[in-house]
Amino acid sequence: QVQLQESGPGLVKPSQTLSLTCTVSGDSITSGPFYWSWIRQHPGKGLEWIGYMYYSGTTYYNPSLRSRVTISLDTSKNQFSLKVNSVTAADTAVYYCARDSAGSCQFDYWGQGTLVTVSS
Amino acid sequence: QSALTQPASVSGSPGQSITISCTGTSRDIGAYNFVSWYQQHPGKAPQLLIYEVSNRPSGVSNRFSGSKSGNTASLTISGLQAEDEADYFCTSYSSTTYALFGGGTKLTVL
Repeated sequence: QVQLQESGPGLVKPSQTLSLTCTVSGDSITSGPFYWSWIRQHPGKGLEWIGYMYYSGTTYYNPSLRSRVTISLDTSKNQFSLKVNSVTAADTAVYYCARDSAGSCQFDYWGQGTLVTVSS
Repeated sequence: QSALTQPASVSGSPGQSITISCTGTSRDIGAYNFVSWYQQHPGKAPQLLIYEVSNRPSGVSNRFSGSKSGNTASLTISGLQAEDEADYFCTSYSSTTYALFGGGTKLTVL
């Protein structure tokens, strides 16, 4: 059974960098062909796709966030990570990591989500 | 880019059927058969219910079904049960954004 777990600071100051890690168990993140994604949910709102890293290392980001977002893989730890630069209060959200198993927006495994609040 | 459009809320009585719509454009739902539906209970992660318009992952009840016509996808839940009360989200592959989500629909079982 594949499991994903997010970790990282729950509070980030404005203008700083939000950093989260997703630890994957039950499968290798390089086993492919999977798209390892980050998705966020603003309080009381819908979901927003942030970006993915394909198991081979290719990345693709939501155009609205592309200038501030980086997703990377750490194959030695079976983890993938998210960095969002220059955060504002608008980046306050629950952040989920998820696996897209087919490159067709088919997110079949999700982490439990972690709330990140941007505040001074 | 705008999110896909879903009704904010729907309701139904136990045993009834309800349908949730998800409207997009010719650049997403209308162009690709990559529509998925998710169920989310409060405080929980979303769970995949339907993928590629009408396919169910193993373990998902056959009371859940999906379809698509033009730029609109639909999720139908038959034989409503109390445990179906949750939020439901649609998503579609988009030529501009990769994954576009709907705003979510709150289902109330009366």
